[in-house]
Amino acid sequence: DGGITQSPKYLFRKEGQNVTLSCEQNLNHDAMYWYRQDPGQGLRLIYYSQIVNDFQKGDIAEGYSVSREKKESFPLTVTSAQKNPTAFYLCASSPGTSSYNEQFFGPGTRLTVL
Amino acid sequence: AQKVTQAQTEISVVEKEDVTLDCVYETRDTTYYLFWYKQPPSGELVFLIRRNSFDEQNEISGRYSWNFQKSTSSFNFTITASQVVDSAVYFCALSEAREVDSSYKLIFGSGTRLLVRP
Repeated sequence: DGGITQSPKYLFRKEGQNVTLSCEQNLNHDAMYWYRQDPGQGLRLIYYSQIVNDFQKGDIAEGYSVSREKKESFPLTVTSAQKNPTAFYLCASSPGTSSYNEQFFGPGTRLTVL
Repeated sequence: AQKVTQAQTEISVVEKEDVTLDCVYETRDTTYYLFWYKQPPSGELVFLIRRNSFDEQNEISGRYSWNFQKSTSSFNFTITASQVVDSAVYFCALSEAREVDSSYKLIFGSGTRLLVRP
C-alpha cells in the first residue's frame, strides 16, 4: 500500500543528545515536510523539501536539521540546540508545493526528553 | 500575515446530534485554497476536503458538509448525526505562498477537539 511511514512511534531522549526521526514515503511525491505539534496547538512547519538535495527552513527550524538524499526519505534530526524538543512530530508529503496540493501525513513520532 | 482561527477549543455532543466546527481565516490573496483535516487519536492527519476560493458552492459528502462564505471569510464544517467514531481533533488550514521560493505552505488553525458521547 502507498503511504508514509515514520519511525519510531515513541522516542525518548536524554538532554544533550541528538536524535533522528525517520520518514519514508512510497507515493512518488516530490515535496516532503516536517511539522511539530504541541498540545492544544496547530501544526508548525519545521523544514520542507521540494526536490531531492534541496530543502528550506520553515517557521521553527532552529535546533533541527534535515537531509533529502533520496526522493522517498526525509529524516529529521533534533539536535541538542533545540531547547524544548518534547512534542509530537509529523511528516507529510505532497505531489508538489502548489497552493492546491493537499498533504498526506504519516502516523507521527512522539518525542520525550527525559 | 495570514491566519486561521478555530475559536472552539473543544466541543462535546451526544451521538446523533449535529455539530458545526467553525473556521475563520485571514488572507490578502485573491486566490487561495482551504483545507480540513481530521486527526483521530492515532495521531495521523487525514485529509477531508480542499476548497478553491472561487468556488463558493457548499459541498456535501455523506454526513459531512462544508459551508464556504467568502464574505465572512469562513469555512465551516458540519457533521450530521454524529457518531462516536467522529471523535477527533479537526484542523482547518489555509494555503499561503512563501516569498522565499514561491512555494506554498499550509497555515493550520489550533484545532477543535470533538468528543461524541454514546
